[in-house]
Amino acid sequence: DGGITQSPKYLFRKEGQNVTLSCEQNLNHDAMYWYRQDPGQGLRLIYYSQIVNDFQKGDIAEGYSVSREKKESFPLTVTSAQKNPTAFYLCASSTGLAGVYIQYFGAGTRLSVL
Amino acid sequence: RKEVEQDPGPFNVPEGATVAFNCTYSNSASQSFFWYRQDCRKEPKLLMSVYSSGNEDGRFTAQLNRASQYISLLIRDSKLSDSATYLCVVTAQRSGGSYIPTFGRGTSLIVHP
Repeated sequence: DGGITQSPKYLFRKEGQNVTLSCEQNLNHDAMYWYRQDPGQGLRLIYYSQIVNDFQKGDIAEGYSVSREKKESFPLTVTSAQKNPTAFYLCASSTGLAGVYIQYFGAGTRLSVL
Repeated sequence: RKEVEQDPGPFNVPEGATVAFNCTYSNSASQSFFWYRQDCRKEPKLLMSVYSSGNEDGRFTAQLNRASQYISLLIRDSKLSDSATYLCVVTAQRSGGSYIPTFGRGTSLIVHP
């Protein structure tokens, strides 16, 4: 059953702690993305990767880091430099067939600060 | 001006009503357009792509107006299960050559009995 798996579903961060959100896909998609969604807001792009071993900053990359060592995996680290990390984090992947970039999303991770 | 703008609503309609949402975008070079549906505390899911010629999927009709830079979604015969937030998504090329989707804030629809 193909899809995108995010874990954990809920995560709590202590002050000064780095935490890593997992995102794995078995859709054989080249591109992967991380978004942040705050209550009543749209999705804001944190980082994206079009191919393995390459990634680009999105609109709100400060305080976050990523890696793309495998096609299937795109983990996001929320560092202690991110002062307001409480949000709903969504990972997506896409194929760029014929210029149409439909994204498929994981179920998300809700991050809260203790 | 924001890249993608939507009226956040909420649109509160009775069952069986017809409701329409609009979305405007600022980048005239935008290439592909979509409507996604997001239920409360869930991930967005693709509702339909939007084509220049307009397209229909059951009770849902999407239109694209490139000259005026807006897309629309029409829902006929609204059902209680249509209650959700509808996200407008526009894909455009960024510096570096990548095509990246940009999401609107979403329009909330509440269908009541």
